[in-house]
Amino acid sequence: DGGITQSPKYLFRKEGQNVTLSCEQNLNHDAMYWYRQDPGQGLRLIYYSQIVNDFQKGDIAEGYSVSREKKESFPLTVTSAQKNPTAFYLCATRTSGGNFGNEQFFGPGTRLTVL
Amino acid sequence: QQQVKQSPQSLIVQKGGISIINCAYENTAFDYFPWYQQFPGKGPALLIAIRPDVSEKKEGRFTISFNKSAKQFSLHIMDSQPGDSATYFCAAPRADYKLSFGAGTTVTVRA
Repeated sequence: DGGITQSPKYLFRKEGQNVTLSCEQNLNHDAMYWYRQDPGQGLRLIYYSQIVNDFQKGDIAEGYSVSREKKESFPLTVTSAQKNPTAFYLCATRTSGGNFGNEQFFGPGTRLTVL
Repeated sequence: QQQVKQSPQSLIVQKGGISIINCAYENTAFDYFPWYQQFPGKGPALLIAIRPDVSEKKEGRFTISFNKSAKQFSLHIMDSQPGDSATYFCAAPRADYKLSFGAGTTVTVRA
């Protein structure tokens, strides 16, 4: 069964805690992305990685960190420095083939709630 | 940073009617303008995409119209069905194969 998996589906965090969201893919895509989605807003880019062992900050990277040690995995850590972390987090991969050579595909998401 | 303006924020259409969603962008980095469909609690799914050298693309009941000179593109949902009730996002390309997304349009199809 191919695709993108994100875990957990729901996550609750106490203020001051760091939490890590998992994203795994078996699509053999090089590029991976993390987005944040808030009600009434579009998807905002947190971090992205074009290749293993390399990643870049997106538009709202403050309070987040990532690693890319394996092609299949791109975990996102939400640190205590993120002031308003309650949101729906989406992981995506980008194909280098396909009809356009750069389509992005999304995982099912993780909903993080700060208590 | 690429800004994408999407309208309307929400719309209600009767079953069998036409839903129209509009987007405007500022600049483009590469040739790929996708639309995504998202159901509540799920990740967005790629619905249809177009290159700007094509003025229109149709897939089933979904059509993208593209006006490169005006930097605008739109999604038309023909013969809208209750199963089309979802949030739709347009996106425009940015440098380094990134995408900028519109704020989304929630479509409700009434039976």
